[in-house]
Amino acid sequence: AQSVTQLGSHVSVSEGALVLLRCNYSSSVPPYLFWYVQYPNQGLQLLLKYTTGATLVKGINGFEAEFKKSETSFHLTKPSAHMSDAAEYFCAVSEGTGGFKTIFGAGTRLFVKA
Amino acid sequence: NAGVTQTPKFQVLKTGQSMTLQCAQDMNHNSMYWYRQDPGMGLRLIYYSASEGTTDKGEVPNGYNVSRLNKREFSLRLESAAPSQTSVYFCASSEEQIRTDTQYFGPGTRLTVL
Repeated sequence: AQSVTQLGSHVSVSEGALVLLRCNYSSSVPPYLFWYVQYPNQGLQLLLKYTTGATLVKGINGFEAEFKKSETSFHLTKPSAHMSDAAEYFCAVSEGTGGFKTIFGAGTRLFVKA
Repeated sequence: NAGVTQTPKFQVLKTGQSMTLQCAQDMNHNSMYWYRQDPGMGLRLIYYSASEGTTDKGEVPNGYNVSRLNKREFSLRLESAAPSQTSVYFCASSEEQIRTDTQYFGPGTRLTVL
């Protein structure tokens, strides 16, 4: 079965600093990978996703992630953090053939310090 | 477009009481999902409906039932609530049930069972 591991339940950065949120997955088939963001008291919304093709994926709000098959990773980055980036971030992988189920990681809460 | 809407936003139940969580989407999506979110555990799939007229169990279906009332609406019922069902419940929808599809989430229902 596929699984997702997010390293670090909490990450704190200063405003303007690099954001790096780590995600590793396990999969016996080519994975489809997602990052979702959840702002306080809201539902999740898609940041970006990798399906096929280019391994560097750009998303909304200046975020990007790189699929590295050899490292089974899909880390999320943003060059310069903004206060508005404070939220919880979830990495997810979809599994199965025919129908599918999405497996979510436990989430990483990002704090941005002024 | 309202997207995915959920009612109620908050609910407190006593052990043994029943209730139904309502979900509706106006994006003409075929697939709908119910998740629960617990601290440190990410989102776990309770039930899903790949298309109107079908429903299937997810990872944690015990203690829940669902109804796909029509293409727009997908309800989740707790027949006899237990404290272990205290959680935040999210409804989501996607255009189709395929691995690459983005899911769109509602704002959530915070349920407390005393």
